Amino acid sequence: DGGITQSPKYLFRKEGQNVTLSCEQNLNHDAMYWYRQDPGQGLRLIYYSQIVNDFQKGDIAEGYSVSREKKESFPLTVTSAQKNPTAFYLCASSGNSNQPQHFGDGTRLSIL
Amino acid sequence: AQSVTQLDSHVSVSEGTPVLLRCNYSSSYSPSLFWYVQHPNKGLQLLLKYTSAATLVKGINGFEAEFKKSETSFHLTKPSAHMSDAAEYFCVVPVSGGYQKVTFGTGTKLQVIP
Repeated sequence: DGGITQSPKYLFRKEGQNVTLSCEQNLNHDAMYWYRQDPGQGLRLIYYSQIVNDFQKGDIAEGYSVSREKKESFPLTVTSAQKNPTAFYLCASSGNSNQPQHFGDGTRLSIL
Repeated sequence: AQSVTQLDSHVSVSEGTPVLLRCNYSSSYSPSLFWYVQHPNKGLQLLLKYTSAATLVKGINGFEAEFKKSETSFHLTKPSAHMSDAAEYFCVVPVSGGYQKVTFGTGTKLQVIP
């Protein structure tokens, strides 16, 4: 079945540590997205990529970094500069501009 | 700029009774609109989308929504709630003409009481 796979499901970060969240899709979608979800705030866009080797900052990019070396993969790194990383992170993808986004099952990041 | 407002953060209904989840939008033109559902610790699943073809849109799991331009509303309804409908629901609008950037409402948590 086609879909989006996020891993790990749960992740713990120590102070000063960078961690990377994985997102892989086999839907042949060009665009991919990372969102952060906090209770009562809906989803906020961190980064998005419309094509391989290109990506743009979203609304809350500070303290995060991404890469898009392959069409299928869009990993997110939460750096030590992100002082409040505890959240649920969702990856999504979409095809052409008239197709809604499809979502993975998320990664829950917590601080040790 | 396009935006959506979900009027209720929590809604509680009894099993078998109707569901109404409210969404108002703000847009300088007639937008596309979506409803997504999220079960606990899961991603979002598309329930339905409005793309101006018809004002009453039917989605999955018996949900439907009606686009009312005069009221700038896109409320989600279901005639009879089921326990499995307990989840969080998000109203979503594209930021620009395409769907590639969207804005999410703050969500409505639906509780279904047996």
